[in-house]
Amino acid sequence: DADVTQTPRNRITKTGKRIMLECSQTKGHDRMYWYRQDPGLGLRLIYYSFDVKDINKGEISDGYSVSRQAQAKFSLSLESAIPNQTALYFCATSDFNGGPYNEQFFGPGTRLTVL
Amino acid sequence: RKEVEQDPGPFNVPEGATVAFNCTYSNSASQSFFWYRQDCRKEPKLLMSVYSSGNEDGRFTAQLNRASQYISLLIRDSKLSDSATYLCVVNPGASGTYKYIFGTGTRLKVLA
Repeated sequence: DADVTQTPRNRITKTGKRIMLECSQTKGHDRMYWYRQDPGLGLRLIYYSFDVKDINKGEISDGYSVSRQAQAKFSLSLESAIPNQTALYFCATSDFNGGPYNEQFFGPGTRLTVL
Repeated sequence: RKEVEQDPGPFNVPEGATVAFNCTYSNSASQSFFWYRQDCRKEPKLLMSVYSSGNEDGRFTAQLNRASQYISLLIRDSKLSDSATYLCVVNPGASGTYKYIFGTGTRLKVLA
């Protein structure tokens, strides 16, 4: 079984709808991240969480919110979806080993289309 | 100037060739560096970390040049299976900080 899972894998929705993307991990990592990927722009950080009580905005958090329900679960919500939120969304986890080299493990991604 | 810059490619090379990519970063205080591999429509996966002294993993060699603020990835004896996008990732902060800056990727096509 995959260590980092995302649901749904694909979603088409309409402008103005609320949508939630879910991420679960079995790696036991405290740190979890949400990114979006757009052609030509690379991965950009939306939100990150270092533990259940620690939630932080990334570089492009406007229009998004998150919930860390447990160490293993981190959900991303679009309160009122708009077409420019059409993108590939990745959840990632990482451990923290006390040094600067901490590998990130990504989920398979959610392809979201907002019409 | 972008924080992390890569040539988008594509680099089209024949099987067996040697190919090298560079990636420049703007923050001279950056602490750690990585190369990730991403196959089409798949998630990124760590290929290798890049250490100050340079490091090698089989056919792959990564180097860091702090003076000129770039990292490089060398692939020897290219295989068809090496076709992918290679993402340069930089952590600009001190140990423990969250921020990973991703380049837009360099696309490699290995041709039969």
